[in-house]
Amino acid sequence: GAVVSQHPSWVICKSGTSVKIECRSLDFQATTMFWYRQFPKQSLMLMATSNEGSKATYEQGVEKDKFLINHASLTLSTLTVTSAHPEDSSFYICSAPGTLSSYEQYFGPGTRLTVT
Amino acid sequence: AQSVTQPDIHITVSEGASLELRCNYSYGATPYLFWYVQSPGQGLQLLLKYFSGDTLVQGIKGFEAEFKRSQSSFNLRKPSVHWSDAAEYFCAVGAVNQAGTALIFGKGTTLSVSS
Repeated sequence: GAVVSQHPSWVICKSGTSVKIECRSLDFQATTMFWYRQFPKQSLMLMATSNEGSKATYEQGVEKDKFLINHASLTLSTLTVTSAHPEDSSFYICSAPGTLSSYEQYFGPGTRLTVT
Repeated sequence: AQSVTQPDIHITVSEGASLELRCNYSYGATPYLFWYVQSPGQGLQLLLKYFSGDTLVQGIKGFEAEFKRSQSSFNLRKPSVHWSDAAEYFCAVGAVNQAGTALIFGKGTTLSVSS
């Protein structure tokens, strides 16, 4: 089946630094990938849609200069949290759509970001 | 605007008992509906989906869900719960946004299974 991986699974960084999270589709190609943010006991909120070879589309209220998304290849999308603050601490999840329907998505295991 | 409501934040069910998790949606057209399960350390796994056709859909792990348009509901059911079913369950609706398509999730229901 379609597998999506994320790296790292857990990262701690200091305030003001930047951290990069990778999302890879392991056995299929993904021209589109989605990035979600999940707060404890909360729902998944779509942050942006990553498109291979073009700019990402950000949801309303998401700071594109803070959350840099790069879809470098058909199997890799990265999310860089720049100048991280403690309020950026969260669980970040990526997904890629299936071949039958873009609504049916395969999710990565998520990355826990803690900013100290 | 599209939205998904899961009224139950936390449910505890005895092992072997039946389960029903509630989901209500708000969407103008015929919705694409999903149930996902999230276990610690693992990504969201699709349990089942409804696109069209038979309103009772079967999924993996013995789960089923019924689409009721008149009630705007898509409740998840399982006749006999196993301890391994303890997890977070999310209902979602497919929607169209500026980027194309998106999933809108409910806030989730935490299922605990007691022995």
